[in-house]
Amino acid sequence: DQQVKQNSPSLSVQEGRISILNCDYTNSMFDYFLWYKKYPAEGPTFLISISSIKDKNEDGRFTVFLNKSAKHLSLHIVPSQPGDSAVYFCAARITGTASKLTFGTGTRLQVTL
Amino acid sequence: EAGVTQFPSHSVIEKGQTVTLRCDPISGHDNLYWYRRVMGKEIKFLLHFVKESKQDESGMPNNRFLAERTGGTYSTLKVQPAELEDSGVYFCASSQVYNSPLHFGNGTRLTVT
Repeated sequence: DQQVKQNSPSLSVQEGRISILNCDYTNSMFDYFLWYKKYPAEGPTFLISISSIKDKNEDGRFTVFLNKSAKHLSLHIVPSQPGDSAVYFCAARITGTASKLTFGTGTRLQVTL
Repeated sequence: EAGVTQFPSHSVIEKGQTVTLRCDPISGHDNLYWYRRVMGKEIKFLLHFVKESKQDESGMPNNRFLAERTGGTYSTLKVQPAELEDSGVYFCASSQVYNSPLHFGNGTRLTVT
């Protein structure tokens, strides 16, 4: 049973445009969410996170939105750059379970020129 | 600061053989995690060490997998005997405190033939 779902396996966006990556979760106990970025042959790298007490967190070009009632979060990248081309993983955890993360299957973002 | 280091980067073994993966966390990081990604699916939690103690091993698939962290420094993950379904990328991650974002290594790609 997959508790974190990324239903879009891939996304292609033109350079300069907005990239929106989506993530849904089923476990209402999740209270902290993270996005990781992964390049080929490398490990995931932490990008941005959000606590369930917030609905938005922004860091430069990256913004994460959380809609708890819909159990949905999204990552916005504006403007998209070719270097953003990677696989993006959504992850969630429950406070008190240390950093045991539950990941989605990832979305491959391709930013084209 | 050196990142999380994993060795080997690739391993190809036959079914029934034994393989040992090694992870060197970031110096000073008490928390060490093993994760696995099988066939492009989600990244799944295997276990969590705090120093040399196993904090949570709920994700270990079966007793063919043995993880150790003697002395609370590097960790090894042994698969014995390996089965075809063990193929995948094994990631190690570490963190200084339990709720800080994880730093991942580049992974070990294990292929069981």
